[in-house]
Amino acid sequence: SQQGEEDPQALSIQEGENATMNCSYKTSINNLQWYRQNSGRGLVHLILIRSNEREKHSGRLRVTLDTSKKSSSLLITASRAADTASYFCATVRRMDTGRRALTFGSGTRLQVQP
Amino acid sequence: DAGVIQSPRHEVTEMGQEVTLRCKPISGHDYLFWYRQTMMRGLELLIYFNNNVPIDDSGMPEDRFSAKMPNASFSTLKIQPSEPRDSAVYFCASSQTGTSSYEQYFGPGTRLTVT
Repeated sequence: SQQGEEDPQALSIQEGENATMNCSYKTSINNLQWYRQNSGRGLVHLILIRSNEREKHSGRLRVTLDTSKKSSSLLITASRAADTASYFCATVRRMDTGRRALTFGSGTRLQVQP
Repeated sequence: DAGVIQSPRHEVTEMGQEVTLRCKPISGHDYLFWYRQTMMRGLELLIYFNNNVPIDDSGMPEDRFSAKMPNASFSTLKIQPSEPRDSAVYFCASSQTGTSSYEQYFGPGTRLTVT
């Protein structure tokens, strides 16, 4: 099963509104990352939050992490049409082998209407 | 840096043909990943290398798929023979040890269509 599951699968909002996407995961993690994918393009790293952090900001992005609930949220404030994309959470955890593994969720498709 | 480079960007081939996808990671990155993305299955990790050595190929769907990394600046993913269900976008990504974040940098992808 997916380590990270995003919710909702799809979200449509008006320009200027805030968009909130959630991610749940199953095992302990080192950090959680959010990526963005524009249609027809590769994924681009947006922001990272470590397991000992609860909240992080980067421009119009705000990420929260609740390790007790094994969940994270990504908030995009004052959305723009250019924010239209798919957003993926990815968890980094250390395997029994000692190596780290990064696992992507299924993504949220965000549509911002101008 | 030019980022991760993949070629070709688009490939259309007939069932049964051999397909080779190519990737050049970011210089200095020692991890390289191959992913496949479809609407039905989302983003799947196929295989990854560390210092040119395959570490985990458990995501490779079957023996028709093979990947190599002959040196630090080049990797190939080969499908032989190709089948229509292999149609997908294939991404290559690279990462660097020493960055505790394990952030990955993705290439633009190769869109493969097998008819």
